Amino acid sequence: NAGVTQTPKFQVLKTGQSMTLQCAQDMNHEYMSWYRQDPGMGLRLIHYSVGAGITDQGEVPNGYNVSRSTTEDFPLRLLSAAPSQTSVYFCASRTAGGGSFYEQYFGPGTRLTVT
Amino acid sequence: RKEVEQDPGPFNVPEGATVAFNCTYSNSASQSFFWYRQDCRKEPKLLMSVYSSGNEDGRFTAQLNRASQYISLLIRDSKLSDSATYLCVVRMDSSYKLIFGSGTRLLVRP
Repeated sequence: NAGVTQTPKFQVLKTGQSMTLQCAQDMNHEYMSWYRQDPGMGLRLIHYSVGAGITDQGEVPNGYNVSRSTTEDFPLRLLSAAPSQTSVYFCASRTAGGGSFYEQYFGPGTRLTVT
Repeated sequence: RKEVEQDPGPFNVPEGATVAFNCTYSNSASQSFFWYRQDCRKEPKLLMSVYSSGNEDGRFTAQLNRASQYISLLIRDSKLSDSATYLCVVRMDSSYKLIFGSGTRLLVRP
């Protein structure tokens, strides 16, 4: 199992450019989510999905779009990059179960710089 | 007020020391609690869940105090490899979302 994979690992964008961060998981998890991590701010939820075809906004959704056409893939689109979107982005997945199944598995992260 | 608050540290301790971190949460409806570990420039990984009666996993002990709305993590006999950032995580009932604290940094020196 590869777990949760993310591409690219690093990206530099100019203000106004758009791009898609890729995320895939091979654990057949229902739940997937995107976080951004900034110094002193912790992990903040951008968007999440509870299954194919179902997405919802998290804490900081502005400037980002998501879609979930398959269980495995959950891409994050930056519509028009801004310097405030410079951050480390983590994709995560977990099963729908409770108890210890709330363990989230994270991808290795994408380090994005917007100039 | 942040939903989950942690002392950012760093806590700088010698090998073999015992160190404890606290984390407070603001929503009394919170139902599930976890500690995640994050190494420098890596993704977070689950360290342990926190149960109402408290629980141990080797050198790590987690406690929950619902009345005062805080959880704690105790690390005994610290190792150099324990150096990392420890994230407190809370889930409210009937919610998918996990709320992450901003982390407490631990440095264990030789």
